[in-house]
Amino acid sequence: GAGVSQSPSNKVTEKGKDVELRCDPISGHTALYWYRQSLGQGLEFLIYFQGNSAPDKSGLPSDRFSAERTGGSVSTLTIQRTQQEDSAVYLCASSLAPGSNQPQHFGDGTRLSIL
Amino acid sequence: QKEVEQDPGPLSVPEGAIVSLNCTYSNSAFQYFMWYRQYSRKGPELLMYTYSSGNKEDGRFTAQVDKSSKYISLFIRDSQPSDSATYLCAMSLYNNNDMRFGAGTRLTVKP
Repeated sequence: GAGVSQSPSNKVTEKGKDVELRCDPISGHTALYWYRQSLGQGLEFLIYFQGNSAPDKSGLPSDRFSAERTGGSVSTLTIQRTQQEDSAVYLCASSLAPGSNQPQHFGDGTRLSIL
Repeated sequence: QKEVEQDPGPLSVPEGAIVSLNCTYSNSAFQYFMWYRQYSRKGPELLMYTYSSGNKEDGRFTAQVDKSSKYISLFIRDSQPSDSATYLCAMSLYNNNDMRFGAGTRLTVKP
């Protein structure tokens, strides 16, 4: 596809369950980012992948959150033992290369609701 | 104090009005400044990108950066109902993974 693709678009699950969110970046984009957007809040950086380098995990809020990127393309964000405060929109973005002269292109997000 | 402050609004204007959206920030080291537009249930899309201080114009949109005041603005001329969206400011130090976002201002342009 032409843009960043995220799935599922919506996810409702019970507290304590694990969830997996998927991001398919734009073909050829080496940099991939995950953000969390809560109501009334700005985008919160979670994790950043660049090529084969070790990811920048500095934004992950707890050890229940993890992410991987296979083959330098598709990425999966996993939240274990979900809590109600994990409810938010999870956005993925990709860019051609790292550096602020390369704009980030966002997917439409996964809306996660924890009951 | 948040690193980036943005009035969440909502802001409602009549069609054709000039819209002014603003953000202030606390970290004087920010060098790159961006404005994103986000329609309901969609991801943010990049509208404007500027480096350091100055103005940048693109069609009906003008971005201004005043680093001495730590203040950035986005102006929309001849606003249209299709401009109704949430506008997010963002800024970074060196790389995209340093980006900090404002909370977003919700704008409604009424026909």
